[in-house]
Amino acid sequence: DAGVIQSPRHEVTEMGQEVTLRCKPISGHDYLFWYRQTMMRGLELLIYFNNNVPIDDSGMPEDRFSAKMPNASFSTLKIQPSEPRDSAVYFCASRSGATEAFFGQGTRLTVV
Amino acid sequence: DAKTTQPPSMDCAEGRAANLPCNHSTISGNEYVYWYRQIHSQGPQYIIHGLKNNETNEMASLIITEDRKSSTLILPHATLRDTAVYYCIVRALYGQNFVFGPGTRLSVLP
Repeated sequence: DAGVIQSPRHEVTEMGQEVTLRCKPISGHDYLFWYRQTMMRGLELLIYFNNNVPIDDSGMPEDRFSAKMPNASFSTLKIQPSEPRDSAVYFCASRSGATEAFFGQGTRLTVV
Repeated sequence: DAKTTQPPSMDCAEGRAANLPCNHSTISGNEYVYWYRQIHSQGPQYIIHGLKNNETNEMASLIITEDRKSSTLILPHATLRDTAVYYCIVRALYGQNFVFGPGTRLSVLP
C-alpha cells in the first residue's frame, strides 16, 4: 500500500478563494482524521470520520471549514472563503480499529 | 488537552542512546502509551506503543514504570536522521483519536 495520500502537497491561494484539500486513506481503514499544524498551536484534530460518517467535528474552527467523505477511499477538506490565518500544514491520517494511525505527508497551505 | 508531560528539547550524541522521558500520571487502566515522531516537514510517524510491559521493535524500546505513571522511549544508537520532534500520547486501544502535545525536540549531534 502507498500509505495515506494527500493532494496537493503545496497550495498557495489568495484570500477569499475556495481551497479543497484531498485525502486517500489506506485501503481497509475505517477511521479518517484531519489535523492542522501551526507553529502556535501545534497539531490539532479538526474532524474525524468512522465508516465515512463524521463523528466529531468539534475541532473545526468555524463554518468556513467543511469536510466530506463520500466513500471509503476519499475525503475532502474545504475552506471557503480562505483567510491568511488558515495558513498551516494540514494532515490526513487513517487507521483500522485498534491499530496505530498512519499519517500522510500533509498539504502546506499558504493564503496570501 | 494532552495527558502527558515531556521536556521541550534534548540533545544526544550520534551513536549514543537517546532516552526520552514522558510523564502520564493520570493514565487510566485501559490506556496505552504511544510514541510518534515527526521529522521536519513530514507527517507524524508511528514508533511504538505499550500497555504495561516493556516493548521493543526495530526502531526503539519502550520502558513503562510499574505504576504506569511514566515511560521512557529509548533509541539505542541515535543517528542524525533521528533528529525530530517526539510525541508521547496516551490513548485507549479503541480510543477515538490521538491528542498531540508539544512533544520533545530531539537533536542528534555529530
